[in-house]
Amino acid sequence: EVQLEQSGAEVKKPGESLKISCKTSGYSFSDYWIGWVRQVPGKGLEWMGLIYPDDSDTRYSPSFRGQVIVSADKSLTTAYLQWTSLKASDTAIYYCMRPDSSGVWGQGTRVSVSA
Amino acid sequence: QAVVTQEPSLTVSPGGTVTLTCGSSTGPVTVSHYAYWFQQKPGQAPRTLIFDTTNIHSWAPARFSGSLLGGKAALTLSGAQPEDEADYYCLLYYSGARVFGGGTRLTVV
Repeated sequence: EVQLEQSGAEVKKPGESLKISCKTSGYSFSDYWIGWVRQVPGKGLEWMGLIYPDDSDTRYSPSFRGQVIVSADKSLTTAYLQWTSLKASDTAIYYCMRPDSSGVWGQGTRVSVSA
Repeated sequence: QAVVTQEPSLTVSPGGTVTLTCGSSTGPVTVSHYAYWFQQKPGQAPRTLIFDTTNIHSWAPARFSGSLLGGKAALTLSGAQPEDEADYYCLLYYSGARVFGGGTRLTVV
């Protein structure tokens, strides 16, 4: 069974760094793209980017390019979403998902950024 | 970047049929957009209903179906149930990029 297990909720201050994770299981990690999706409270889904773990080919949505870093560790079968300097506007729920026939989503990671 | 449009809200009666659509600012939606449809209920993560335009996921009720209709991707719900009340999002593929629609809030009443 394909599963995506995300790391727990985070509370951060503006300017801090953060790396959240998406631990996968039940399939060959290297062979499938993993995407990241943002949902600001009360708003819709926004596509951020995705990574192909086998060669770390990474594609970013224009709105998020330069704002976040997507990475993957094949040895840990885990994908990551990283910020070097958080802003209050990064407050949201972040989901990882497999954009293919498996259709599996992680449970989401809530990130709160406030002074 | 392309803009993907959905109806902001729709209402359907229990047992009724409703079609949600997903349009693209770049022109007609085709099979090459590999349309996905997701359902999200309050406080829950989204779940995938339809992939690659017409393929229904194994956990989705058979009353949902996907198609292309009038140059748009479409999600049809036939025989709506109260538990189908949710937000529905489409996702389109554009040569490596992907874009969500703004979502449709479906009310069953």
